[in-house]
Amino acid sequence: DQQVKQNSPSLSVQEGRISILNCDYTNSMFDYFLWYKKYPAEGPTFLISISSIKDKNEDGRFTVFLNKSAKHLSLHIVPSQPGDSAVYFCAASGSRDDKIIFGKGTRLHILP
Amino acid sequence: KAGVTQTPRYLIKTRGQQVTLSCSPISGHRSVSWYQQTPGQGLQFLFEYFSETQRNKGNFPGRFSGRQFSNSRSEMNVSTLELGDSALYLCASSLPGKDGYTFGSGTRLTVV
Repeated sequence: DQQVKQNSPSLSVQEGRISILNCDYTNSMFDYFLWYKKYPAEGPTFLISISSIKDKNEDGRFTVFLNKSAKHLSLHIVPSQPGDSAVYFCAASGSRDDKIIFGKGTRLHILP
Repeated sequence: KAGVTQTPRYLIKTRGQQVTLSCSPISGHRSVSWYQQTPGQGLQFLFEYFSETQRNKGNFPGRFSGRQFSNSRSEMNVSTLELGDSALYLCASSLPGKDGYTFGSGTRLTVV
């Protein structure tokens, strides 16, 4: 029972263009969503979050959009840079102190 | 400040043996969560400890157990190891209400 789904295992984007990573969730009790980035041989690092009272949160080149009615969120990276090549995990929680459930990840390749 | 420290980094064990993994959280963090990462499965939640008490538990068999000490350090134990337990085990610590977790670099367990 995958409560957080990332249906694209991988994505390739040209350097300088926009990268869009998508995520769907099934549990309507989730109200706090996060994105993590992971390089090989390192633990995931927190990127950006959004609570259900918002539909957009922006931090520099990273923007997360939340569509609660569709149970869908997306991460936009613009412009994409070579250092953005990594695995991106979408995650969700019932609250800021609840356990965090992760998706299976999307591997992003930024092409030169 | 020091990050989340996991020891050992690498471990090779034989089927049927048991193993103990250690996690030292960031100073002041009282919540410690454990995740298992395998190829194709993403990060699967094992359990979370807060103030020496298990607060949340994932869907893993009883062979997987954990504990937390008064200094917030946590250990995870896996008994009667199976080949399928080969994975990267990640520990994360957090403050209440703080954005997400801070992960350690993980312990790579190989069961042969």
